[in-house]
This record gives sequence, C-alpha cells and structure tokens, in this order.
Amino acid sequence: DLQMTQSPSSLSASIGDRVTISCRASQGITNYLAWYQQKPGNVPKLLIYSASTLQSGVPSRFSGSGSGTDFTLTISGLQPEDVATYYCQAYYSVPNPFGQGTKLEI
Amino acid sequence: EVQLVQSGAEVKKPGESLKISCQGSGYTFASYWIAWVRQMPGKGLEWMGIIYPGDSDARYSPSFQGQVIITADKSTNSAYLQWDSLQASDTAIYYCARRRDGYENWGQGTQVTVSS
Repeated sequence: DLQMTQSPSSLSASIGDRVTISCRASQGITNYLAWYQQKPGNVPKLLIYSASTLQSGVPSRFSGSGSGTDFTLTISGLQPEDVATYYCQAYYSVPNPFGQGTKLEI
Repeated sequence: EVQLVQSGAEVKKPGESLKISCQGSGYTFASYWIAWVRQMPGKGLEWMGIIYPGDSDARYSPSFQGQVIITADKSTNSAYLQWDSLQASDTAIYYCARRRDGYENWGQGTQVTVSS
C-alpha cells in the first residue's frame, strides 16, 4: 500500500526563518500531493494542492514543490501564527494516506 | 459557500453501535467524494475511507476495512460512518472532508468517546 513519510517529525525555528518540510511517497503519485496545516484544537486546513498550487487565501510565504515521490513544503519568513502541525497527503488514487505530521514550534 | 456539518459529540460504552453523519451544502453533493479521517488523542491524521455519493462506491483503508461502514444518501446530502461494536480504542475525533483538489473542505469534527 501507498505510504507517506514526512521529515522531520518536529522542528524548532525562529521568526523570519525559512523552514522546509519533506514528504516522500512509497510509489509515484505524479503531482497529486496536498499539504495541510492543523493548529491545536482546530480542523485541518488545506494549504497547497497539486504539489505546488497555493489554496486561495493562503499566504504567499507558503510554497510547495516536487513530483513523483519527493515533495517539499517551504515557509519563507516564519511567522508566529505558523505554529502548527503540517501534514502531507497523497490523493492520486485510493487510499489517500497522510504523512505522520511535522510539528513546528518557534 | 461549501459547508460540511457533522453530528454532535457522542459518549458510548464498549460494544455499543454508533452512526455519525456529515451533511454537505453549497455544492452538488453527489458529484464529489467524501472521506472520513480519524484523529486519536494527541495523534496524527489517519485516512479511513471514502465514498462517492453519486453511486455509493465506498473504498476503505486496509486498517479500517471490516471495522467501520461508510455510506451516503444523496437525497439528504449526507454521508455516514458507522460502527457495529465500539471499542475504547475508537475514542477519537472523526472528520469528514470533501475531495476536490486535495481535501478542500472539512467538517468541524465529531468527538467519539468510548468508555465503560
């Protein structure tokens, strides 16, 4: 079965830093890759779909890249409100597994 | 405006059955897959399964196959997640989500607590 592996599982950064989170699929998923942000106590929020397309309303400091099996989420200029857990997800076919999450702290 | 509204929190005993719901509005409900996602306390998101309300084609994660049943009723714009016999390990928040480009819209979540 398709599996998604994120790294790191947690990271600490400073305001203004450039942060990178990686996601690897166990098989090729072309660009059917989404990134979500979940703040404590909140519902997950779609940030990026099709690996690199920013969802409407999401700040431009978020960006995504990659295709096939390797993908990256980048936050350029970390802000306090970016404290959250970030998940990647493959939606190429079924199943649509999530990565295990990356907890971002400041 | 697209909305997914889930049924309220539930407290159940082990062995009891349960069916929770997710009602969509603001779009053609029958035309988009609806998924169910589990989040156990302090843990990550787990994909459980997905259904196409137009023809009730349901697919499951191997981890949840046989443990839950996913159904939909396009006449009421609702999707459902049900258990025949709950266990304490089913305690979690359950989200429904509409699949478009990624999971664009999410329900508010339903807290299910199973305790004797």
